[in-house]
Amino acid sequence: AQSVTQLDSQVPVFEEAPVELRCNYSSSVSVYLFWYVQYPNQGLQLLLKYLSGSTLVKGINGFEAEFNKSQTSFHLRKPSVHISDTAEYFCAVSTYGGSQGNLIFGKGTKLSVKP
Amino acid sequence: DTAVSQTPKYLVTQMGNDKSIKCEQNLGHDTMYWYKQDSKKFLKIMFSYNNKELIINETVPNRFSPKSPDKAHLNLHINSLELGDSAVYFCASSRGMGNQPQHFGDGTRLSIL
Repeated sequence: AQSVTQLDSQVPVFEEAPVELRCNYSSSVSVYLFWYVQYPNQGLQLLLKYLSGSTLVKGINGFEAEFNKSQTSFHLRKPSVHISDTAEYFCAVSTYGGSQGNLIFGKGTKLSVKP
Repeated sequence: DTAVSQTPKYLVTQMGNDKSIKCEQNLGHDTMYWYKQDSKKFLKIMFSYNNKELIINETVPNRFSPKSPDKAHLNLHINSLELGDSAVYFCASSRGMGNQPQHFGDGTRLSIL
């Protein structure tokens, strides 16, 4: 079975500072990895995904993430955050095909950007 | 031009009632999902349908029954509502499963009195 651990439930940071949101996963098979963002009272939006190939993936809003197979990690980074980045961020994993294809989510990290 | 739309957005009702939540997607996707997000923001898959057929049915009380009249719709009917059903329910859709990103609706906030 797969699982996702987001190590920080809350991350406070000042505007224009860099941020890293940590995500580790556990799986006995190869996985696909995703980061989603949830703004207040909204659904989830895809930030970026890793399917295969280059381990550094770039997403929307200046976010990027690096897949590290040996450390089973997929940490999300942004070099300079804005107030508008304040939201809940979810890391998720899925596996190949069929009934294994559903997303398993981490418990989320609340990013609070302060002026 | 909402891609995945859910109705209603808010649902307040009493314990023991039966209610339905509707979901429609206009993305041409063949797979649709229902998730439950609890008060601590934890998201858990409930059901997924691919081409109108049930693919995933996680450990969910049988009071919850999904219905997919066509590929663009996946409704959720809940019988005999209980206090523990209070949550935000999200509908999502994707093209296939596994490596395809899912598109989420804005959620239905269900409150049981």
